Amino acid sequence: GAGVSQSPSNKVTEKGKDVELRCDPISGHTALYWYRQSLGQGLEFLIYFQGNSAPDKSGLPSDRFSAERTGGSVSTLTIQRTQQEDSAVYLCASSLVSGTSNQPQHFGDGTRLSIL
Amino acid sequence: GQQVMQIPQYQHVQEGEDFTTYCNSSTTLSNIQWYKQRPGGHPVFLIQLVKSGEVKKQKRLTFQFGEAKKNSSLHITATQTTDVGTYFCAGRTSGTYKYIFGTGTRLKVLA
Repeated sequence: GAGVSQSPSNKVTEKGKDVELRCDPISGHTALYWYRQSLGQGLEFLIYFQGNSAPDKSGLPSDRFSAERTGGSVSTLTIQRTQQEDSAVYLCASSLVSGTSNQPQHFGDGTRLSIL
Repeated sequence: GQQVMQIPQYQHVQEGEDFTTYCNSSTTLSNIQWYKQRPGGHPVFLIQLVKSGEVKKQKRLTFQFGEAKKNSSLHITATQTTDVGTYFCAGRTSGTYKYIFGTGTRLKVLA
């Protein structure tokens, strides 16, 4: 596809369950970001991947959150033992990376996660 | 840690009025990007500013980057109903690829 693809688009699960969110970036984009957006709020940085470099995990809110990126392409964000405060829209973005990394981010439509 | 604040949080204007949102960073930025998010949609890139004091225009939109590279503004002239949405700035500091998004300004245009 031409854009960033995220799945599922909606996920409803019970508190305590694990969830896995998927992001398929634009082909050729080596940078990949995960953000979290609560209702009516701004975007909270979670994690950043760039090529084969170690990811920047400084935004992950707790050790229940983890992410990986396989083969420099598809990424999965995993939330273990979900809590109600994890309810939010999880957005993925990808971008090209130049020497200065001043490249626009292209966002997917997000996964709306609801924890019952 | 780095923080990026935007004011105002909300703005309601009559169609045809001007609108400005201000973005302030606690640290000096390497560059700043602006995004627009329509209700129910995802953020869409508008523009990027890199140089101190830079001014860029896109039709009715004017973007400025402060001399100290710690603040920025977006001004819309003669708003239209299509301008409705939330406008975010996103700043990056030197030495990192991480962008910190501002709190956003939600614009409502009344016809």
